[in-house]
Amino acid sequence: NAGVTQTPKFRVLKTGQSMTLLCAQDMNHEYMYWYRQDPGMGLRLIHYSVGEGTTAKGEVPDGYNVSRLKKQNFLLGLESAAPSQTSVYFCASSIRSTEAFFGQGTRLTVV
Amino acid sequence: GNSVTQMEGPVTLSEEAFLTINCTYTATGYPSLFWYVQYPGEGLQLLLKATKADDKGSNKGFEATYRKETTSFHLEKGSVQVSDSAVYFCALSEISAGANSKLTFGKGITLSVRP
Repeated sequence: NAGVTQTPKFRVLKTGQSMTLLCAQDMNHEYMYWYRQDPGMGLRLIHYSVGEGTTAKGEVPDGYNVSRLKKQNFLLGLESAAPSQTSVYFCASSIRSTEAFFGQGTRLTVV
Repeated sequence: GNSVTQMEGPVTLSEEAFLTINCTYTATGYPSLFWYVQYPGEGLQLLLKATKADDKGSNKGFEATYRKETTSFHLEKGSVQVSDSAVYFCALSEISAGANSKLTFGKGITLSVRP
């Protein structure tokens, strides 16, 4: 009963490095999302996907790219990490306008 | 666009106190409304939801009623416990013109309950 699984859970990057965060869900959900959570800012939507092969920009997409090659996976990429991308990243999935299920989060520090 | 406004925090209460966390929303259509809870070091979990006007969502002693006339979805609990200490997020979901459904969150409020 895994639900939504994010890897890795923690990561430290140097400025300019790249990395990919993986989100996997086993609930056959069509919709998947990437959010970032920062103190005092709540949750902000980075990118989302409404189905395999589709992606769309959210509220704060700059500096990130995503891919949804398989229905169960949603990847978030940072091509050139910046200190402003230090945050906790959450992946979620849902069936349209029903409730979303969240992963445990990835704590990313860019130094 | 859609938006969710939550009352400012943090909130500190004594055990067994009454809790109200205000949430108002702006939406163009008929959204579904949610309260999520985030315990320390964890992801968000759905606490309760309501999908149409006058619906009341409830779970674990928490309640919230979907009030279309005041565009509100306030969270209440009659007697809080130390274990209720967490961050609470109000959220809405609406199918937009492009048939996409996105969750819009409030900024969250931290609740601390002292023994």
